[in-house]
Parts: sequence; C-alpha cells; structure tokens
Amino acid sequence: AQSVTQLGSHVSVSEGALVLLRCNYSSSVPPYLFWYVQYPNQGLQLLLKYTSAATLVKGINGFEAEFKKSETSFHLTKPSAHMSDAAEYFCAMNSGGYQKVTFGTGTKLQVIP
Amino acid sequence: DVKVTQSSRYLVKRTGEKVFLECVQDMDHENMFWYRQDPGLGLRLIYFSYDVKMKEKGDIPEGYSVSREKKERFSLILESASTNQTSMYLCASSFDVNTEAFFGQGTRLTVV
Repeated sequence: AQSVTQLGSHVSVSEGALVLLRCNYSSSVPPYLFWYVQYPNQGLQLLLKYTSAATLVKGINGFEAEFKKSETSFHLTKPSAHMSDAAEYFCAMNSGGYQKVTFGTGTKLQVIP
Repeated sequence: DVKVTQSSRYLVKRTGEKVFLECVQDMDHENMFWYRQDPGLGLRLIYFSYDVKMKEKGDIPEGYSVSREKKERFSLILESASTNQTSMYLCASSFDVNTEAFFGQGTRLTVV
C-alpha cells in the first residue's frame, strides 16, 4: 500500500536559517510527488511537484525538493526562512490510478524572529 | 485565475440533520475530490469523481455520499450528521494524474 510519512509535526527555525521538512514515501510504482502549503484558514496551494523529469525540483517562494529514489525521500528545503513561511506543509503522492492522492499528516513550520 | 469555490466557510448543524456541502470549479477539470482535515491526521480522502455521474470511495466514505450531476459541481452529503463529523472539509479538482490539485478555501463544519 502506498503511504507518505512526514517526520515532525512541528518544526521551529529562526528567521534566516535553513528550512528542512522531511517526507518519505512508500510506493510499488514510480510516484508523482507534491508539496503543498496551507496558510491559516485557507485551502492548500501547490509549492512544487516531481513528475520524473528532474530529481531536483524548484518551486515557488524559494523552496525546492530533491527526489531520492534510494532513500524513498522527497524532502523540502529553503536556504533562508522568512516570517511569511510560517504555515503548514503537506507532502503528497500519487502512485495509483484514478487520481488517488495520499497526503502526509502535515508539518507546521514556525519561524522565530 | 483558476478557482475552486466551496459554498460555505463555516457551518453549524445539529446532530441528525442532512448536510450538503457544495463545490464548484471553473477549470473544466475531470477529477474532483472531497477530503476532511483533522489535526494530526492530515487530509483523508472521503470520495472522488473522475467523470460526471461517476464516483469512487476514498479511505473514509462511511456516513457520507456524493453527487456529481454536472462536470463543474461536486457535492458532499452527510446523510445524518454526527458530532464525529465535525471537521474541516476541503474540495479539490485536478486535470490529470500528474498534475496538481487545486483546493477550495475549506468549510469548517461543526455538528452540535
């Protein structure tokens, strides 16, 4: 069965520090992988997606993620955190038919001034 | 600008009531989804639809049904609302398997 695991339900970083949010997946077939961000009281919006074209994927707001098949990981990074990055981040995967997307449980990012 | 619109941001309903949550998308997407979001559990798929009048159960369909009479509209129905259905409900749509989903703003439903 496919699954997505996000390590750490809460992550705190100082403003200007590196952001690293972890995501590991389990899939029997090559997956499509996504990172979404959710600001308070809003829906989710796409940060970036991996669709096998390139292992290093760049997204909006300076975020990027690297697909590592050997580690079954798709960690999200940003070199320098900004206060506006405080939000909840979800890793998601589609590796089956009929668009059944599996989401991780989310990581809340706190940015400390 | 692409849009997925959910009819209500906040709803309060009584136990046993029949509840309708409406979702409309303007992107001509084939696929539409209903999720519920609970703290610590992430997003869980309730139902999805890949075509008009077609529906598939997700991971937690019990106590819910859906309707998709037109391509742009996907409704979630709580046949008899219960307090354990208090949650944030998110509607989404997408074009294809390798494309992203677009989400509505969510409906925060409280069942009392």
